Amino acid sequence: GENVEQHPSTLSVQEGDSAVIKCTYSDSASNYFPWYKQELGKGPQLIIDIRSNVGEKKDQRIAVTLNKTAKHFSLHITETQPEDSAVYFCAATSHGSSNTGKLIFGQGTTLQVKP
Amino acid sequence: NAGVTQTPKFRILKIGQSMTLQCAQDMNHNYMYWYRQDPGMGLKLIYYSVGAGITDKGEVPNGYNVSRSTTEDFPLRLELAAPSQTSVYFCASSYQGSQPQHFGDGTRLSIL
Repeated sequence: GENVEQHPSTLSVQEGDSAVIKCTYSDSASNYFPWYKQELGKGPQLIIDIRSNVGEKKDQRIAVTLNKTAKHFSLHITETQPEDSAVYFCAATSHGSSNTGKLIFGQGTTLQVKP
Repeated sequence: NAGVTQTPKFRILKIGQSMTLQCAQDMNHNYMYWYRQDPGMGLKLIYYSVGAGITDKGEVPNGYNVSRSTTEDFPLRLELAAPSQTSVYFCASSYQGSQPQHFGDGTRLSIL
């Protein structure tokens, strides 16, 4: 079935360094790729998303890149701050779900930013 | 703005009991979703709805039921609670299927 693989499962960086999280997906029909940040005891919050007709999108310190040929997309966080510490999830639309919004989620990456 | 509201926040059930997890959104969103999140795992879709009166199964629907009688509410029903249903349950909504999903803060459910 459809699958989204996310790596690494944990990531520790020094404050000010960059962090990169990578995801691969199996369904070539996937066309929407959101990234969520989840803080302890809270629900996931959308931080950035990208659609299949775009290769890169940036919002201040956060950027996402998409390679449709290789079926992978990545989250880049620059100048990391302690408040960036959280669990990050990637997701992709599942087969035939463009009208339903059904998402397949990666397993999550726990990011720790050390002061 | 309230967004997506889930109640209760925590609940402990005994095996075989039933309960309803409530979800309400005030954003006039057409689409609503129920996910479960197990420790160290991503979210898995249980059920979803594209509008009032319309529901469909997701990846892991067994043991659950839903209804969507209004645009605002999308309750999730557990009929015969089993230990395997111990999880954190998240409700989400979006205006359309191709739009970002907004999540509630979850219901933490333990079945003993």
